[in-house]
Amino acid sequence: RKEVEQDPGPFNVPEGATVAFNCTYSNSASQSFFWYRQDCRKEPKLLMSVYSSGNEDGRFTAQLNRASQYISLLIRDSKLSDSATYLCVVNIPPSGGYNKLIFGAGTRLAVHP
Amino acid sequence: NAGVTQTPKFQVLKTGQSMTLQCAQDMNHEYMSWYRQDPGMGLRLIHYSVGAGITDQGEVPNGYNVSRSTTEDFPLRLLSAAPSQTSVYFCASGTGVYSNQPQHFGDGTRLSIL
Repeated sequence: RKEVEQDPGPFNVPEGATVAFNCTYSNSASQSFFWYRQDCRKEPKLLMSVYSSGNEDGRFTAQLNRASQYISLLIRDSKLSDSATYLCVVNIPPSGGYNKLIFGAGTRLAVHP
Repeated sequence: NAGVTQTPKFQVLKTGQSMTLQCAQDMNHEYMSWYRQDPGMGLRLIHYSVGAGITDQGEVPNGYNVSRSTTEDFPLRLLSAAPSQTSVYFCASGTGVYSNQPQHFGDGTRLSIL
């Protein structure tokens, strides 16, 4: 089983739609979670951190469910500029070493007019 | 703001050649890492470092060496390039030795091995 799993998509949605991405992780001791955005042939950029209580940044809402070991990202009122690949990132706590951030393979979103 | 700088941006090598991918950051970050990204597989951690003189292996370290002689620089060496190492390589840095913090990425090196 992969340490971090995401639905690869693509999710094709019209402008204005609400879209949700889920991500599951296998290590129950993981403590930090992030969503990154990656545009085609560009570097990943931090979209938002995910906190236990859930957090919101404008049209974006992230939630964490520790019991089920999944993280979600909700995008409301989708814009054409939201088209990108969204990467779920989980820290792997040390087993004799240091924390490592592990990336999911990403979910591709395409927003059309 | 320079952030994380990677050089070169593009490189073509022949099988068996060696080369070094350069990575430098000017944010005084302790934590630096190298990833490779292949289609459909996401980013995979190659090596990482939690400070000068300290490095450790990631998920796919074979065929790559790293060193961290300064806080700013974290070069990745391919000793004998193989076609399987054709990929996009990203360097990243972040705060905190036991990093629960997000990382900042360079804009990547696109490497082709013939």
